[in-house]
Amino acid sequence: AQSVAQPEDQVNVAEGNPLTVKCTYSVSGNPYLFWYVQYPNRGLQFLLKYITGDNLVKGSYGFEAEFNKSQTSFHLKKPSALVSDSALYFCAVRDGYIPTFGRGTSLIVHP
Amino acid sequence: GAVVSQHPSRVICKSGTSVKIECRSLDFQATTMFWYRQFPKQSLMLMATSNEGSKATYEQGVEKDKFLINHASLTLSTLTVTSAHPEDSSFYICSARDTFQGDLYNEQFFGPGTRLTVL
Repeated sequence: AQSVAQPEDQVNVAEGNPLTVKCTYSVSGNPYLFWYVQYPNRGLQFLLKYITGDNLVKGSYGFEAEFNKSQTSFHLKKPSALVSDSALYFCAVRDGYIPTFGRGTSLIVHP
Repeated sequence: GAVVSQHPSRVICKSGTSVKIECRSLDFQATTMFWYRQFPKQSLMLMATSNEGSKATYEQGVEKDKFLINHASLTLSTLTVTSAHPEDSSFYICSARDTFQGDLYNEQFFGPGTRLTVL
């Protein structure tokens, strides 16, 4: 069985400050990890993924995520937040065919 | 990047009617598409996996006779909500993977979603 936890319902950050959106996972095999972003009344957009290789993965819009096997975490980060980054962020994990999504974290970037 | 479209984007219907939602992969082929339901401020709930040329695989608790899925081609899957009721009101999202890129490492591409409101 696989599962994903996003412990924060909401993250607030000031524009220009670094942001982190947390994700931890549980899988029985090798994890394939993904981050998606959802803007209001829209589908999900792919941000980045970890399959293998470097633990630091760079993705779209300046986002990056760090894979930590010992802590089973895959936190999403950005060095300098923009107001336009405000959205709902989903972490997902696969060790098989179908991914499991976290419940989502609402990121609010204040001007 | 790969594009998935959904039609309609928004639909309002009367209780008891049926509503069909289309999901298309525009620039790639998808043997498998997924249908999700999302409640306000909640995560995606996988409803079913749509397989081209065969029956859909439904998740536990999802009524297959109520949510009819047809995957007639490698680029089109449809979800029909039959005899819709107000509790079926939700945001329905489809997704697909590019079949020829291989499934194992691929991210999903999501449609923009369909907002269904049943009066």
